[in-house]
Amino acid sequence: GQNIDQPTEMTATEGAIVQINCTYQTSGFNGLFWYQQHAGEAPTFLSYNVLDGLEEKGRFSSFLSRSKGYSYLLLKELQMKDSASYLCAVRGFNKFYFGSGTKLNVKP
Amino acid sequence: DTGVSQDPRHKITKRGQNVTFRCDPISEHNRLYWYRQTLGQGPEFLTYFQNEAQLEKSRLLSDRFSAERPKGSFSTLEIQRTEQGDSAMYLCASSPGLAGETQYFGPGTRLLVL
Repeated sequence: GQNIDQPTEMTATEGAIVQINCTYQTSGFNGLFWYQQHAGEAPTFLSYNVLDGLEEKGRFSSFLSRSKGYSYLLLKELQMKDSASYLCAVRGFNKFYFGSGTKLNVKP
Repeated sequence: DTGVSQDPRHKITKRGQNVTFRCDPISEHNRLYWYRQTLGQGPEFLTYFQNEAQLEKSRLLSDRFSAERPKGSFSTLEIQRTEQGDSAMYLCASSPGLAGETQYFGPGTRLLVL
């Protein structure tokens, strides 16, 4: 079966750095994706990893270790607008498997 | 706006009624996905189309659910004899189908079954 685990909720302070972890076990792997989802809205794409290592996009970075079935999303210089759920998703052969999401609360 | 669109955005219905949702993907995207999402959970895969062909359907999807993509463009998702447990956000996403390409989500249809 497919299994994607991420923490349910995290809290961090404005201006700080936070790391959201994701572990996965899936049949087939064609990339790991991170999405941001604000309450009541659709998910929006943040980052993509298919090879091991770190991908950086502005304040967001994502890391992948395929041998460990592990990824993390790093958010720097946190802003209040970063309060949202962050979804880890693995693309299998034809479809995407999503974790339950990590709700990030950014406090002043 | 050339993003994914869904209609309606909200639907309230009584238990036992049928409902139909529409999704218009980004033009030229040949893959289209339907998901269901409940509060505090990630999107749950329902079904997937490559052009007009429905290639996969979740085992969790009962016979009350059916989806079509007749001309490989827009898609419809129908739920027959709705139950209160069907209350959820129904998300549609499309992708070009290329390796490494993400999906682009529509705004969703929020269904409430009374």
